Amino acid sequence: GAGVSQSPRYKVAKRGQDVALRCDPISGHVSLFWYQQALGQGPEFLTYFQNEAQLDKSGLPSDRFFAERPEGSVSTLKIQRTQQEDSAVYLCASSPYRTTYEQYFGPGTRLTVT
Amino acid sequence: SQQGEEDPQALSIQEGENATMNCSYKTSINNLQWYRQNSGRGLVHLILIRSNEREKHSGRLRVTLDTSKKSSSLLITASRAADTASYFCATDAEKDTGRRALTFGSGTRLQVQP
Repeated sequence: GAGVSQSPRYKVAKRGQDVALRCDPISGHVSLFWYQQALGQGPEFLTYFQNEAQLDKSGLPSDRFFAERPEGSVSTLKIQRTQQEDSAVYLCASSPYRTTYEQYFGPGTRLTVT
Repeated sequence: SQQGEEDPQALSIQEGENATMNCSYKTSINNLQWYRQNSGRGLVHLILIRSNEREKHSGRLRVTLDTSKKSSSLLITASRAADTASYFCATDAEKDTGRRALTFGSGTRLQVQP
């Protein structure tokens, strides 16, 4: 079946612009995660949803980052007033589990802030 | 911040040789997982080992876990050029923090020469 998809795959934004990154999880997966991956590093947790409830947003680096999953399916990660340090790959993952078992990752969105 | 450290950071071997990667972590865990990331692609789950298990096999993969030393190793036997990728260990800190996200190490970059 279809895996996790993310769009756009690449995004270039000028500093100060707002961006919205979309994640389509695997159908029926209750858990959805966002991670940020800097070049040469492992992914770092940003936020977690169980269905439409955002249960953990402790990894969001600033109040410029906002995520939602209003109907418990598609999720959007929004970054306001982008800064150069926001340049990274943003990965979305979904899981059929409510606990930390295996996660299914999308291909990521590479954000470059100029 | 990264939970664990992978060792070595980079590894280059010939096809047919075995590759061993090590991972150390800091908190109590429910399970430890290994993921592979090919250049420009998302992460793919390889294997999960629970905290009460010491060794697990899947095809050419063998994972060991030593919870007393907070360490794990991933062995890939009879490596192939297609195994060239970055390998990450990931742990959950749900026991200690209640957080249901994975915490990744910084990865081992494996190059398998044909």
